[in-house]
Order: sequence, then structure tokens, then C-alpha cells
Amino acid sequence: AQSVTQLDSHVSVSEGTPVLLRCNYSSSYSPSLFWYVQHPNKGLQLLLKYTSAATLVKGINGFEAEFKKSETSFHLTKPSAHMSDAAEYFCALKTPGSARQLTFGSGTQLTVLP
Amino acid sequence: DTEVTQTPKHLVMGMTNKKSLKCEQHMGHRAMYWYKQKAKKPPELMFVYSYEKLSINESVPSRFSPECPNSSLLNLHLHALQPEDSALYLCASSQPVQGASEQYFGPGTRLTVT
Repeated sequence: AQSVTQLDSHVSVSEGTPVLLRCNYSSSYSPSLFWYVQHPNKGLQLLLKYTSAATLVKGINGFEAEFKKSETSFHLTKPSAHMSDAAEYFCALKTPGSARQLTFGSGTQLTVLP
Repeated sequence: DTEVTQTPKHLVMGMTNKKSLKCEQHMGHRAMYWYKQKAKKPPELMFVYSYEKLSINESVPSRFSPECPNSSLLNLHLHALQPEDSALYLCASSQPVQGASEQYFGPGTRLTVT
């Protein structure tokens, strides 16, 4: 069985400070991992993906994530938060070669304070 | 072009109405998906079409009826819905289901059942 755990349901940071959103996964196989962002009343936008190439993945809008197999983690970071980063963030997992679809974490609401 | 479009953006319908949601992509993707998303929750998979054939139905009530007329279009026909069906309905597409590729999401249709 595979699962995704987002360790914080809500994170607050001040504008200009670093962002860390935590994601742990469980998978019997080498997974593909994704981070999506969802602004209010919008669809999900792909921020970045890991598919067994480089373990440090750079995405859009200054976000990056590091795949750590030993820790089964795929945490999302950004050096300096902007007000526009305030949104819901979802970590998701897919096992290549499987017909099973994306397994989502429960989401982390990011608040950016002025 | 990595865009998935959905119409309408908003829909209000009574419990006896029949309506349809539409989704379109022009990325050459051969897998298309319907998700239902409640507030503050991750998307829940409803249906998967692979090469225009229904491959996954996640035990969705028959009042939801999907249709894939061709590789670019996906419809969701709605009939005799219940108030608890009110949600954001998201369409997504990707390369073939078995692969590790990411899903691209549309902006969603906000459905309210009165």
C-alpha cells in the first residue's frame, strides 16, 4: 500500500522568510512524487515533480524539493515567501507501472503574514 | 500548451435537473480524469479514461455518468443529484495511465445542488 502524510495542516510564515512544507511517503516501489498548489477556487497547479532523476528538484516560482529515500521524505522549500504564495499545497505520489492513480496528502494551508 | 479547460465555471442545479460538465485538452494526452473536491480536502478520484475507454470507476453513484467522445474531450453528465454532491469538480489529463507523468488539472467547475 502507498500513502502520503503531510505533517502540518497549517503553516504560517512572514513575508520574506523561508518556507518549509513537510511531506513523508510510504511506497513499496520507487515512487514518482509531486507537489501541487491550489489557490482559492482554482484548480491544482503542478509546482514540481520527482521521477528518479536528480534528488533535488527545482520547480516554478522559486520552490524546490529534495527527495530523501532514507527518510522517505519529499519536503517543499522556498528561501523567501511572497504574499502570493498563500495557498493550499498538496503532496502526491504515483507508483510507475501501476494503474493506481495519484495518492494525495491531506494538504497544508500556507499563510503568509505581511 | 499545458492547459485543461472546463466549462461552466459555476453551476447551480436543482435535484431534478440534468446538466453536463465539459472538459477539453489539446496536449495529446490519452488519459483523462474526473475528481471531486470538497472544501479543505484533497481531490477524490471519480473516473479514469485511458485511450477513450473507462478504466477506473471509484464506486461513484450512477447519478454521475462520464463520457469520453474523443481523445480531447471528457464530459460528466449529472442527474438527480443530492445536496451533498455540491463540490468543486476537477478534470485532469496526463500521458498514458501506466506512466510516471504528471497530471495537469483544469480550473474546475463549482457545483451547487439546491
